[in-house]
Amino acid sequence: LAKTTQPISMDSYEGQEVNITCSHNNIATNDYITWYQQFPSQGPRFIIQGYKTKVTNEVASLFIPADRKSSTLSLPRVSLSDTAVYYCLVGSYSGNTPLVFGKGTRLSVIA
Amino acid sequence: DTAVSQTPKYLVTQMGNDKSIKCEQNLGHDTMYWYKQDSKKFLKIMFSYNNKELIINETVPNRFSPKSPDKAHLNLHINSLELGDSAVYFCASSQRTGTPSRTQETQYFGPGTRLLVL
Repeated sequence: LAKTTQPISMDSYEGQEVNITCSHNNIATNDYITWYQQFPSQGPRFIIQGYKTKVTNEVASLFIPADRKSSTLSLPRVSLSDTAVYYCLVGSYSGNTPLVFGKGTRLSVIA
Repeated sequence: DTAVSQTPKYLVTQMGNDKSIKCEQNLGHDTMYWYKQDSKKFLKIMFSYNNKELIINETVPNRFSPKSPDKAHLNLHINSLELGDSAVYFCASSQRTGTPSRTQETQYFGPGTRLLVL
């Protein structure tokens, strides 16, 4: 299983762009990179998933360099409601190997 | 419509009791999971079922027994509850897409069941 490393916490002011980087040096050829968001007292929620280059949806962008050993989740113009824990997961989903949720990054958005 | 639902939302019980948590998903997914999130907020997978068959069984005491009567339901029964079982239990479901060698998956989580063992 590719192990992931993320910052434990980050602070940001409202309206700023937030970039959270995840390191996954042992990523395998077939692994996808997935980010989840968890608000207090709720279950994790899927944000974005990618394999290489850049993926963008209505919530975030995911930047993956050519070597795929890291990825960056970009949240444009954060608001107070983006305060949450963000998890980076790496895996291929094939077979029966479970994905591992790390400690995540606790993002605090300040007014 | 709630995609993944769990009951009960809160569960307070005494040590030694037996309790069950129910999970239902209306997404038509083939795979369902149980996760445990402890007080330190680590989210650990416990079990996974695919088409009613157990496919992942992590190191979990055998006091925990999952049951999947059909693809839309995955229940968790816990015998002889202990203080250390206090946690939030999340159910999730997913549908895998892609090829066997490169598979994508998005998991949808329920709201969680907060279990407190006294």
